[in-house]
Amino acid sequence: DAKTTQPPSMDCAEGRAANLPCNHSTISGNEYVYWYRQIHSQGPQYIIHGLKNNETNEMASLIITEDRKSSTLILPHATLRDTAVYYCIFLLEYGNKLVFGAGTILRVKS
Amino acid sequence: GAVVSQHPSWVICKSGTSVKIECRSLDFQATTMFWYRQFPKQSLMLMATSNEGSKATYEQGVEKDKFLINHASLTLSTLTVTSAHPEDSSFYICSARRSYNYGYTFGSGTRLTVV
Repeated sequence: DAKTTQPPSMDCAEGRAANLPCNHSTISGNEYVYWYRQIHSQGPQYIIHGLKNNETNEMASLIITEDRKSSTLILPHATLRDTAVYYCIFLLEYGNKLVFGAGTILRVKS
Repeated sequence: GAVVSQHPSWVICKSGTSVKIECRSLDFQATTMFWYRQFPKQSLMLMATSNEGSKATYEQGVEKDKFLINHASLTLSTLTVTSAHPEDSSFYICSARRSYNYGYTFGSGTRLTVV
């Protein structure tokens, strides 16, 4: 399975934007970038996904570089409840299984 | 929409006994479900793919005779940890995908403690 690289941890002040980077230099043209997060002792929660274009939903924005070798997840106004492990994964549209890397621990601090 | 329910949320069992964990898709049908295991401070590790009406596909290194998976209907998959030992203590999580336009939905997980 294809590999992503994320920083092990990041801090963010409450109310500020949290920008979480992900490198995926080996991504192929038909693989989607997915972001999930896991709050302590819970199942992962879907955040957003995209292929080429930037995407936005009620939770976050996803910025994908033109060469698709990296992406950034943006939480526009981080709250304490956004403290979690964030995972960047890529997957074929009709792919079957999600394989998780180490993720980034985001700590939102007041 | 796309809710996955997992039961029980936690269980304590004695060494040598078996434990069954259920994963249900509440508002959609899932021909495929996935089972993960997570040890403290580690990422999720995919154990197996559960296929409705057929045998599960196990990841390398996962003992199929120890972790029995049954996917008898389009809304229910079960994972049975047989002859559990303390090293099987872990957080077990299932997931399913409603369709290719949706992301995967995860259950809330089951904390298994074997004493």
